[in-house]
Amino acid sequence: DIQMTQSPSTLSASVGDRVTITCRASQSISDWVAWYQQKPGKAPNLLIYRASSLKSGVPSRFSGSGSGTEFTLTISSLQPDDFASYYCQQYNSNFQTFGQGTKVEIK
Amino acid sequence: QLQLQESGPGVVKASETLSLTCSVSGDSISSDTSYWGWVRQPPGKGLEWIGSFYYSGTTYYNSSLKSRVAISVDTSKNHFSLRLSSVTAADTAVYYCARHLLGYCRNGVCNTGWFDPWGQGSLVTVSS
Repeated sequence: DIQMTQSPSTLSASVGDRVTITCRASQSISDWVAWYQQKPGKAPNLLIYRASSLKSGVPSRFSGSGSGTEFTLTISSLQPDDFASYYCQQYNSNFQTFGQGTKVEIK
Repeated sequence: QLQLQESGPGVVKASETLSLTCSVSGDSISSDTSYWGWVRQPPGKGLEWIGSFYYSGTTYYNSSLKSRVAISVDTSKNHFSLRLSSVTAADTAVYYCARHLLGYCRNGVCNTGWFDPWGQGSLVTVSS
């Protein structure tokens, strides 16, 4: 199975900060990556698919980039509603895997 | 608006079989536009894909669970079910069902893609 190594596991930031989360795939997966946001006690919500396509309704401060083995999720200006956990997912094959998650905390 | 809702027992005894159902409204699980799947999350941990099916009957399972898991479909009720046998404490988790959108398609065959939307989740605790 393809492994997704996500970093950092925890990130402390302030409102207004630019935040970057990275996922590295164990082999090339083109741009078959999605990103999710999850708040405590809630189901994950899709933010980005195909590495850089923003889901309709998701704020434009969220963006994704990358191809091959390295992918990033960027929040251009962190807002109070963005303090949550974030997960990447690869779907290069029919046996998808998730990154370990990044918790974005208030600094 | 598409909605998914998990239902089933909140507690299952060790060595027994976990059974959950996902009821879907707002879309048909017989549609050719998406797969439908299950994902779980142990308390305080990350997400783990369990398995997904397509209307054609194609089903994929996580290799680490394949020997214990089965997904079944009831198109008349527009719901699908998960069965996980021989459970242990390691199977304690919140179980989510989700629409599993199509990924890339080649020669008329489409792979699995991203999950959207998700059900609210159902906590299942394995008791000893």
